[in-house]
Amino acid sequence: AQSVTQLDSHVSVSEGTPVLLRCNYSSSYSPSLFWYVQHPNKGLQLLLKYTSAATLVKGINGFEAEFKKSETSFHLTKPSAHMSDAAEYFCVVSDQGSQGNLIFGKGTKLSVKP
Amino acid sequence: DSGVTQTPKHLITATGQRVTLRCSPRSGDLSVYWYQQSLDQGLQFLIQYYNGEERAKGNILERFSAQQFPDLHSELNLSSLELGDSALYFCASSPRLVRGTDTQYFGPGTRLTVL
Repeated sequence: AQSVTQLDSHVSVSEGTPVLLRCNYSSSYSPSLFWYVQHPNKGLQLLLKYTSAATLVKGINGFEAEFKKSETSFHLTKPSAHMSDAAEYFCVVSDQGSQGNLIFGKGTKLSVKP
Repeated sequence: DSGVTQTPKHLITATGQRVTLRCSPRSGDLSVYWYQQSLDQGLQFLIQYYNGEERAKGNILERFSAQQFPDLHSELNLSSLELGDSALYFCASSPRLVRGTDTQYFGPGTRLTVL
């Protein structure tokens, strides 16, 4: 069965330092992978997605993620954190490729210290 | 703002009752999805409708049902409510049927509290 594991439930960084949010996936299909962000009391917003094109995917607000098939990973990074990045981040995999349902990770809460 | 609207924002009700949550998708989107976000289960896909027809089911209880109307808005009906149904319910929409690769645009959610 397809699944996604976010390795950290909470990550804390200082403003201006790099962000790394880790995600490992399991998929029998050529996976579609997404990162969504949820700010407090808001809906989810797509940051970026991988659907078998370039392995380094650039998203909004300076975030990017690299698809590594050998490591079954899709970690999210940003070179320099802003206070506005504080939110919950979800790694998501489609469970049957293009026809699949979205399977969400448990989420990683990112805190940004001034 | 994603363009997806959900009403009401908050709903407080008692066990055993029935409620209806409403969703209006982005203009032009034919697919509507419903998700449940709870502390213990996380975010789970419930059901997808495409152009008025049910197209996919996830972990949706038999007490829950949904429909999509000709104007493409959707309603999620929750009946015989239990304490454990307390959660945030999200609606999302996308232009096509292809739910596994297309971007889904999420509404702000309806917070349901069952007392």
